[in-house]
Amino acid sequence: DTAVSQTPKYLVTQMGNDKSIKCEQNLGHDTMYWYKQDSKKFLKIMFSYNNKELIINETVPNRFSPKSPDKAHLNLHINSLELGDSAVYFCASSNSGRAYEQYFGPGTRLTVT
Amino acid sequence: GENVEQHPSTLSVQEGDSAVIKCTYSDSASNYFPWYKQELGKRPQLIIDIRSNVGEKKDQRIAVTLNKTAKHFSLHITETQPEDSAVYFCAASKGQSAGNQFYFGTGTSLTVIP
Repeated sequence: DTAVSQTPKYLVTQMGNDKSIKCEQNLGHDTMYWYKQDSKKFLKIMFSYNNKELIINETVPNRFSPKSPDKAHLNLHINSLELGDSAVYFCASSNSGRAYEQYFGPGTRLTVT
Repeated sequence: GENVEQHPSTLSVQEGDSAVIKCTYSDSASNYFPWYKQELGKRPQLIIDIRSNVGEKKDQRIAVTLNKTAKHFSLHITETQPEDSAVYFCAASKGQSAGNQFYFGTGTSLTVIP
């Protein structure tokens, strides 16, 4: 199936741990994004990569580090997890000329205890 | 930076009635305004958008209006159906290409009562 996929779908971990979320798209898009959606449903951009290059880097703690090994993948690594990191993280992708048509992944619900 | 405000945060309507969700933005350079629908437990999906050179756009039961002077835009859903129940997000951007950040509103939870 053509889609944006994320793994894992659910992630429960303890404070202080390091975890990664993976995202892959097979839509042939050249731009990928990470969004954080908090408990109040507020959707906020974190990072965006275009052709493996970082183009949007919002004010997020440097404990969050995105990595794009190729155009089809954008992973998110989080160090020293904190309670406030609990949220749903969405990956999305688009073509650079059509950034409005962002295809979102299913989301990863991260719970930090 | 851009600040997008969205109202109301929750909205309940009877099936068949209309629903209106309003957003305001602060940056006059914003020129592209998409709307996303997020069903419970699912991903946000683009449902309609409008560019600053257009005042209104319609697609079947949904329409979006834009008032550039007042810096506000609205989503109108007519003849609502239970499957319209979802969280709706507005967004504003200075363009449609990569590198143009999308600023999302805080969402409106719409419930359509059968």
